[in-house]
Amino acid sequence: GAVVSQHPSRVICKSGTSVKIECRSLDFQATTMFWYRQFPKQSLMLMATSNEGSKATYEQGVEKDKFLINHASLTLSTLTVTSAHPEDSSFYICSARNRDSPSGANVLTFGAGSRLTVL
Amino acid sequence: DAKTTQPPSMDCAEGRAANLPCNHSTISGNEYVYWYRQIHSQGPQYIIHGLKNNETNEMASLIITEDRKSSTLILPHATLRDTAVYYCIVRVPNSGYALNFGKGTSLLVTP
Repeated sequence: GAVVSQHPSRVICKSGTSVKIECRSLDFQATTMFWYRQFPKQSLMLMATSNEGSKATYEQGVEKDKFLINHASLTLSTLTVTSAHPEDSSFYICSARNRDSPSGANVLTFGAGSRLTVL
Repeated sequence: DAKTTQPPSMDCAEGRAANLPCNHSTISGNEYVYWYRQIHSQGPQYIIHGLKNNETNEMASLIITEDRKSSTLILPHATLRDTAVYYCIVRVPNSGYALNFGKGTSLLVTP
């Protein structure tokens, strides 16, 4: 089945540094990838939609200059948290839709998530 | 997207069937019902989806009422590994494909 690999699974960084999270579709091509954020005991919140070869679309309230998203190929999207601060500590999850899946299916495959802790 | 309502939590004994309800009374004719689950500290996992007919796969069964205003996800023989938060999501296809997660139902399977 479709697999999405997310790396790193855990990262701890100092305040003010930048962190890059990678999301790869391993056995399918993903024209669209999505980035979510989840705080403790809360549901997933969509941050942005990433389309291969074009700029990401950010949800209201998400700073595009702070959360840089690059989707340079059909199998890789990256999220860079720039100048991270403790309030950015969260669980970041990516998901991807198989380009060849039926258009009506709307089934997304999710990565295992990346837990970011900013000290 | 149609709004969904799920109970915040449910318990189920191991080996028993877990029946998770979802109300979506404002669902429109072309919206599908999707179920995902999230085991603690993992990414969500797709379970099943349907439009109006009942569906079954290796993980679960989905029963959608005739008026489509509610549905039930059935895990026929729950195991401890089924303990997770279960999300019912209603979505129009070809609408950007992002899924918006509500609060879901936290299912606890007990020995």
